[in-house]
Amino acid sequence: KNEVEQSPQNLTAQEGEFITINCSYSVGISALHWLQQHPGGGIVSLFMLSSGKKKHGRLIATINIQEKHSSLHITASHPRDSAVYICAVPPNSGYALNFGKGTSLLVTP
Amino acid sequence: ETGVTQTPRHLVMGMTNKKSLKCEQHLGHNAMYWYKQSAKKPLELMFVYNFKEQTENNSVPSRFSPECPNSSHLFLHLHTLQPEDSALYLCASSGGLANTEAFFGQGTRLTVV
Repeated sequence: KNEVEQSPQNLTAQEGEFITINCSYSVGISALHWLQQHPGGGIVSLFMLSSGKKKHGRLIATINIQEKHSSLHITASHPRDSAVYICAVPPNSGYALNFGKGTSLLVTP
Repeated sequence: ETGVTQTPRHLVMGMTNKKSLKCEQHLGHNAMYWYKQSAKKPLELMFVYNFKEQTENNSVPSRFSPECPNSSHLFLHLHTLQPEDSALYLCASSGGLANTEAFFGQGTRLTVV
């Protein structure tokens, strides 16, 4: 099984701060997913990336395949960014993803 | 709105009840999934269906019974559940492989009393 470790587990930031969430995995992969889960429960896919960097608005995701590491950055954080951010990687076999435990982010005004 | 719709959003049931969770997607996806999310734990895969065929059953107790009548609909039938089965149940769909983007429903918050 591809073990996924996220850090930190919990993060509190003030509005406007630059935020970084990290994800490490144990087995080489072809793509990694970043997901966002709001308190209501629904999950939204933020990024799927296999190399380099992707940017969407204030969110930036980077991946280093050799080091088996990815980061999710949020620039100019806002209270509406408060959510759980989950990293996920493909399994060695089968269809379903292996998920990290998530990073719970709270952005205060 | 992700294109994956789950009903109901909330469900409270007794241990002797029988209920069903429903998931629907019209994204043209071939793979559909049931996940369980308990408090403070990562998402746990329960079942995977690909082209209506069950491809994975992650050692789920028989009190959970999935049904996939067609590629757009997925059900999870529940009977004689235990209080520890209380959790958020999430449905997802994808193009068919783990390297394609997955779309999740809003989840059903289940409480077993």
